[in-house]
Amino acid sequence: EAGVAQSPRYKIIEKRQSVAFWCNPISGHATLYWYQQILGQGPKLLIQFQNNGVVDDSQLPKDRFSAERLKGVDSTLKIQPAKLEDSAVYLCASSLVPGGETEAFFGQGTRLTVV
Amino acid sequence: KNQVEQSPQSLIILEGKNCTLQCNYTVSPFSNLRWYKQDTGRGPVSLTIMTFSENTKSNGRYTATLDADTKQSSLHITASQLSDSASYICVVNHNDMRFGAGTRLTVKP
Repeated sequence: EAGVAQSPRYKIIEKRQSVAFWCNPISGHATLYWYQQILGQGPKLLIQFQNNGVVDDSQLPKDRFSAERLKGVDSTLKIQPAKLEDSAVYLCASSLVPGGETEAFFGQGTRLTVV
Repeated sequence: KNQVEQSPQSLIILEGKNCTLQCNYTVSPFSNLRWYKQDTGRGPVSLTIMTFSENTKSNGRYTATLDADTKQSSLHITASQLSDSASYICVVNHNDMRFGAGTRLTVKP
C-alpha cells in the first residue's frame, strides 16, 4: 500500500515570498490533515478536510495560509506571504475516518526554512 | 495549556538498557490513546493504541500502559537498540487528535 506522498521535501524561501506544498493521501482515505511541527514540539493541526469539505480550520492563520482539497483527493497548502516564524515541518496525514478512531498515516513532511 | 504533557523532554540511554516515557493528559473523556514514533526527517508512525478500558498493550519491545483514573500513560522500551533513537509522541483522541510535544530518545552504543 502506497503511503502519504508529500512534495517538496525541503524548501528555502525569503520572508514575504510565497510557497506551496502538495499532498497525495492514501487511496480511499476520506480525512486529510495538515499539521505544522516546529522544532522540538508536537504537530499542531492547521486544517482538517473530510472529502473536499473543511471540518476544522480554527488554527489556520487565514490571513496568510490557505488550503484546498479539490475532488477530495490531493491537497495543497499555501503560505503567502511567508514570515520567519513559519519555519517548520509541514506534515500531511490521512485516515479512513476522522477523529482518531482509525490510524492517521503521515507523510515525510516538507521542511520549510524562511530566511 | 497543552492537554497532553510528556516527560522527560529528552533522554539518553545506553544500548541494551530499558527506559520509560511518561504521558499525562487532561483530555476527558477520550476514545483512544496512541503512542507514535517519529524518526528524524520522517512523519510519525503509530506504535500502540489503547482504548480507555485497556491497561496495557505490547508491540514487540514496546509496552504501553494506561491508567484512566490518574490520566497517565507510559511507554516502556525494553533492551533498547540504536534504531530506537527517535521522538516518541503521545496522542489522545476525542473527536480530534491532541498531540504531546514528544520525548526525544537517544540510544548510544
